[in-house]
Amino acid sequence: QQQVKQSPQSLIVQKGGISIINCAYENTAFDYFPWYQQFPGKGPALLIAIRPDVSEKKEGRFTISFNKSAKQFSLHIMDSQPGDSATYFCAARREGKLIFGQGTELSVKP
Amino acid sequence: KAGVTQTPRYLIKTRGQQVTLSCSPISGHRSVSWYQQTPGQGLQFLFEYFSETQRNKGNFPGRFSGRQFSNSRSEMNVSTLELGDSALYLCASKLTGGGDEQYFGPGTRLTVT
Repeated sequence: QQQVKQSPQSLIVQKGGISIINCAYENTAFDYFPWYQQFPGKGPALLIAIRPDVSEKKEGRFTISFNKSAKQFSLHIMDSQPGDSATYFCAARREGKLIFGQGTELSVKP
Repeated sequence: KAGVTQTPRYLIKTRGQQVTLSCSPISGHRSVSWYQQTPGQGLQFLFEYFSETQRNKGNFPGRFSGRQFSNSRSEMNVSTLELGDSALYLCASKLTGGGDEQYFGPGTRLTVT
C-alpha cells in the first residue's frame, strides 16, 4: 500500500528552468513533510521540510507548496542548475516513521 | 560537526549468513532510525531507537533486529540472509525522539550472493 505517491518518475529540465515534483498522500495523520535530495552513492540529504499548518515554505531556490485539503504537496526548484541533477524524494511522517515516495530522477540539461 | 557515519560501506555475504551493520549518529543526536533502500521498493523504514529503546518498527521480518548503545551508536543485524536482502541500508539520526530534522548517513551497500 503506497501511502505517498510521487510524480513524475523522471524529469528533464533545461538550465534556468523550473523543476516541479508532486506528491500526494492518503493519511491525514501525517504531521511533517520533508524533501530529500540523493546523489548516486550518497545517502539522502534533507533539503527542505514543512508542517501541515503552513501552505508554503521557501529556502533559496527551493519552495514547498502544501495543500492540506487536497492532501498534496510539491517541490519547486527555481533557476534549475546542472548540479541539481539528482533523485528527489518526498516523505511524510506518521508516528515518528518517515514514509517515502518512490523518487523522481531530475536531469538538468545545460 | 561530523555527520552520520556508517560502517562498513560495502559488504558481500552469502545466503544463510548473518550480518551486523554499525551506525554512529551526529554528536548529540539520541535518535537513530534505519531504512532499507532498493530499486523496487524504494526507501522503507526498518526501526527507530531512542535512549537504547526501540520506539518504532516497520513491516520487516524478525530476521531484522537492532539495538542502540548508551553512547547512541546503533547496530543493525540481519540473520539468515536472503538474496532479497541485497540493498542499501541507511541510518539516520536526529536530536530527540520527537525532533523533526533527520540526517542520513552514506549507507552500507549489502550484496547477498
